[in-house]
Amino acid sequence: EVQLVESGGGLVQPGGSLRLSCVASGFSISDNYMNWVRQAPGKGLEWISYITSGSSTMYYADSVKGRFTISRDNAKNSLYLQMNSLRVEDTAIYYCASKFEIWGRGAMVTVSS
Amino acid sequence: EIVLTQSPGTLSLSPGERATLSCRASLSVSSNFLAWYQQKPGRAPRLVIYGASSRATGIPDRFAGSGSGTDFTLTISRLESEDFAVYYCQQYGTSPFTFGQGTKLEIK
Repeated sequence: EVQLVESGGGLVQPGGSLRLSCVASGFSISDNYMNWVRQAPGKGLEWISYITSGSSTMYYADSVKGRFTISRDNAKNSLYLQMNSLRVEDTAIYYCASKFEIWGRGAMVTVSS
Repeated sequence: EIVLTQSPGTLSLSPGERATLSCRASLSVSSNFLAWYQQKPGRAPRLVIYGASSRATGIPDRFAGSGSGTDFTLTISRLESEDFAVYYCQQYGTSPFTFGQGTKLEIK
C-alpha cells in the first residue's frame, strides 16, 4: 500500500523544539519533491515548506522561516521537519505530502504552557 | 505572495445538482500550476485536480477543472453524497505555495 506516515508530534512548551518524521512505504520518494502543510484546529490549509528531490532547493513560508528546517534522507525514504522556537500559533496538524499527490494522515503538534 | 480567494464560502446544493467553485488569484499563476483538493472532517486533503484541468488518479470524470492566469473553476457536474466536503485551491508555481481559504460544499 502506498502511504506516508508522520510521527514525532506531541505537546511542547512555547520556545521548545520538535522533530517530525515522515516515512514512505509502497513507493520511493527519491524522485519526488516533498512538502509539509499544516492545519490549525478548525482552520484552512497552510503550506509551510518544500524540498526538491536532491535537497538542492528548500522553500519556507514566512511564518516559519528561520525557525523550521526541512530535510530528507532518500536512502531511508524519509522526510523531516525540525521545528525550533515553537509558538502557540504553531499548534496544528502537520501533513507531509509527496508532490501534493500522496498525503500522510498528519501529526498533531500542540504548543502550550 | 499570491493570494487565492475562493467563492462562495459555503455552497448549499442537493445531490444531482451541478456545483461551480471559483478560485481567483491576485497574480497570474505560473504555468497554470493550480490544484484543487477535497477534504472531509478528520481526513487528510485529497488531490482532485492538478495543472488547472488534469484529474488526479481515481477522481471520477464528474469533476472538471478549468481556467488560466488568475481565474480558475472547479465544476462537479452531478453531485453525489460523497462529494460534500471542503474544497481548497492551491497554487504551486511560485513560492510560497499558497492555499485559498476553502469552499464548504454542503447538502441542502
